[in-house]
Amino acid sequence: NAGVTQTPKFRVLKTGQSMTLLCAQDMNHEYMYWYRQDPGMGLRLIHYSVGEGTTAKGEVPDGYNVSRLKKQNFLLGLESAAPSQTSVYFCASTQGPGPYEQYFGPGTRLTVT
Amino acid sequence: KQEVTQIPAALSVPEGENLVLNCSFTDSAIYNLQWFRQDPGKGLTSLLLIQSSQREQTSGRLNASLDKSSGRSTLYIAASQPGDSATYLCAVHSGYSTLTFGKGTMLLVSP
Repeated sequence: NAGVTQTPKFRVLKTGQSMTLLCAQDMNHEYMYWYRQDPGMGLRLIHYSVGEGTTAKGEVPDGYNVSRLKKQNFLLGLESAAPSQTSVYFCASTQGPGPYEQYFGPGTRLTVT
Repeated sequence: KQEVTQIPAALSVPEGENLVLNCSFTDSAIYNLQWFRQDPGKGLTSLLLIQSSQREQTSGRLNASLDKSSGRSTLYIAASQPGDSATYLCAVHSGYSTLTFGKGTMLLVSP
């Protein structure tokens, strides 16, 4: 049982390049989330999904797209990376609303130059 | 919009002290509240989850309380150890179980 895993762990992009971050969970959770963590800003929600085939915007969705084609995977895409997207990205999952913990992946450190 | 505030931002204590971390939130319509620990360069580890109907939750040397009506939670750490040094994050669950995080309390426990 690996929990929540993220790929890659580190990445350096040039401005304008694109990439996809992959999150996978093996706990059969319905809900999945993408957060970014920046110094002085804390963790902020980018996008989330309440089930396979569904996505919704969070607090800071601009410049990102997501897809949830399979229940266990949640992809975060950057179509044209900007230096402002330099951050640590965390994926999380939970069984559903209510008394359920959110479980976090180890994070992806992205630098955009 | 839910806002979560954690006080203090940083705390330094000698080993063995009992300590309290504070968390406040502006909207009391929550499902539950979760406390996390984050070590430098690492992900978040869940410590305790308190449901909105509960007053407190305990795990080992940790005790978390929740006063939903006043929008406050505290995390009590008993007999602190150097291994407790980390950043502690408070997060409130609201609609669709989305989490709103505080900015954390950075704790340093010196031997």
